[in-house]
Amino acid sequence: SYELTQPPSVSVSPGQTARITCSGDALPKQYAYWYQQKPGQAPVLVIYKDSERPSGIPERFSGSSSGTTVTLTISGVQAEDEADYYCQSADSSGTYKVFGGGTKLTVL
Amino acid sequence: QVQLVQSGAEVKKPGASVKVSCKASGYTFTSYDINWVRQATGQGLEWMGWMNPNSGNTGYAQKFQGRVTMTRNTSISTAYMELSSLRSEDTAVYYCARVARHLLDAFDIWGQGTMVTVSS
Repeated sequence: SYELTQPPSVSVSPGQTARITCSGDALPKQYAYWYQQKPGQAPVLVIYKDSERPSGIPERFSGSSSGTTVTLTISGVQAEDEADYYCQSADSSGTYKVFGGGTKLTVL
Repeated sequence: QVQLVQSGAEVKKPGASVKVSCKASGYTFTSYDINWVRQATGQGLEWMGWMNPNSGNTGYAQKFQGRVTMTRNTSISTAYMELSSLRSEDTAVYYCARVARHLLDAFDIWGQGTMVTVSS
């Protein structure tokens, strides 16, 4: 079955830039999405269509794509950004959706 | 406001079935697909499948085919996910999520989650 690969953890100091990657063979063909999840809460969409930001999401969140890797970038990280982040996409046929394993962002 | 409200926590014995509901409000229920996603404690998100509330068409992840059924009642704007032959590994929080076509099929609205515990 198709898989998306994320690093388990990323740590940054406040004000620095955090980059979280997500790799998958079908990413050149399928859009990627990013979700933020804080403890005890449902996920929240922060990026769609690889790099688009929904209304209400701060400008410090951005996304990019290059080949089989997509990247979520958080510029000027704030303490409130500490959370788990999941990428999501679909297999090459678009039939089956899939989530990455998640990355825990720690703000030091 | 647009929201999805799920049914309450469930405790089931191994081998039993569970049916979780997801009531939509603030938008036209039949205009947006509903997907189901689960999350075991301390683990990641796992996609289970989708349902089109207008047609009733469904698609399930291979892992759950034969054990999951997604249905709806359009008169009360409610989607359902039933999982059968439960085992301990099915203990998880189950979420419903709306698919937003205007956001290129992103999951833009999520329910609050329903804890399902499978224990003898």
